[in-house]
Amino acid sequence: AQTVTQSQPEMSVQEAETVTLSCTYDTSESDYYLFWYKQPPSRQMILVIRQEAYKQQNATENRFSVNFQKAAKSFSLKISDSQLGDAAMYFCAYRSKETSGSRLTFGEGTQLTVNP
Amino acid sequence: DVKVTQSSRYLVKRTGEKVFLECVQDMDHENMFWYRQDPGLGLRLIYFSYDVKMKEKGDIPEGYSVSREKKERFSLILESASTNQTSMYLCASSLVRLAGGPAREQYFGPGTRLTVT
Repeated sequence: AQTVTQSQPEMSVQEAETVTLSCTYDTSESDYYLFWYKQPPSRQMILVIRQEAYKQQNATENRFSVNFQKAAKSFSLKISDSQLGDAAMYFCAYRSKETSGSRLTFGEGTQLTVNP
Repeated sequence: DVKVTQSSRYLVKRTGEKVFLECVQDMDHENMFWYRQDPGLGLRLIYFSYDVKMKEKGDIPEGYSVSREKKERFSLILESASTNQTSMYLCASSLVRLAGGPAREQYFGPGTRLTVT
């Protein structure tokens, strides 16, 4: 079974600065997907960014980018030019290409605080 | 826009009661999911469904059952609520991934905060 670990329960960053959230995972599969989801205080979870394991290029979405290190099984999220609206709980998630139903395995979450 | 709605934002029930949590999505998604979210544990999958009347157990199905009679609706049932089922419950839905295609995003509802006393 796959596991996902987020070792930072809480992080903080100053507005306009850069922060990196860590995620590691364990799997025996060679092809899979990784995601970062954001859960703002309103609680509606939204997708931030996704990465396919067979793609070596790191995914980017505006101010959000990932550092995908397949051999190390590491998938960190970098938020550049942090904004107050980035304050949220962030979850890293793994999806196997082999299992049915698109099920996700989530990490424990990292609570990000953005200080003005 | 995809919309996933859940019947209640907050719910308080007594131990032993039968509890129904309803989830409805409006985008004709095949897959639907129920998670519970607890501090320090992240989201854990309870059950999911990939078609009407089809269901599969997730990682923590004990004490729960589900029903999917219509494509847009997925219900989570606590047969006899217990205090250890006090939690945040999140519903999600997604399209089926096409062969060779990218992973489909899961869309989440706002959550139901259930308290069992």
